[in-house]
Amino acid sequence: DQQVKQNSPSLSVQEGRISILNCDYTNSMFDYFLWYKKYPAEGPTFLISISSIKDKNEDGRFTVFLNKSAKHLSLHIVPSQPGDSAVYFCAASARGGSEKLVFGKGMKLTVNP
Amino acid sequence: NAGVTQTPKFQVLKTGQSMTLQCAQDMNHNSMYWYRQDPGMGLRLIYYSASEGTTDKGEVPNGYNVSRLNKREFSLRLESAAPSQTSVYFCASSEVGGGGLGGEAFFGQGTRLTVV
Repeated sequence: DQQVKQNSPSLSVQEGRISILNCDYTNSMFDYFLWYKKYPAEGPTFLISISSIKDKNEDGRFTVFLNKSAKHLSLHIVPSQPGDSAVYFCAASARGGSEKLVFGKGMKLTVNP
Repeated sequence: NAGVTQTPKFQVLKTGQSMTLQCAQDMNHNSMYWYRQDPGMGLRLIYYSASEGTTDKGEVPNGYNVSRLNKREFSLRLESAAPSQTSVYFCASSEVGGGGLGGEAFFGQGTRLTVV
């Protein structure tokens, strides 16, 4: 049973436009959410996180939104740049982030110049 | 800063052979983890170690063993490799300890293993 779902395997956007990556979760115990970015032949790198006590967290061009009632979060990248082309993983954890991370299957973002 | 270092980067094994994947971190993190990544499957947790001297099974532990040698090192052993273990393996570490993985985890570069 997949607890963290990234239902779209890929997304293609034009440089300068907004990229919106979506993630849904089923486990109501999850209260800490993270996004990771992965380039080919490299390990994932942490991008941004959000606690369930917030509904928005912003870091430069990256903003994560959390809708607890819908068990849904999204990552917005504005403006998108070609260097943002990568696979993005959504992850979730329970007990304030002290429990093990559960990852989604990932989404491949392509930003076209 | 080396961060999390995995060796080897690539390995080809024959079915039934054994090998150990090595992982070391220099960030003084308590928690360390092994994941595997397969196409369309995301990152799945094999084993994790919340602190030195403790290990726990993750989502897909069958066919693997681990050793938390000290605070820095966490190895993953395949006793009898099978083609189903062909995957990319990632080691990670986190400063959150005492019960699991959470917060920001730092990953190694990965080991691409092929079992033929």
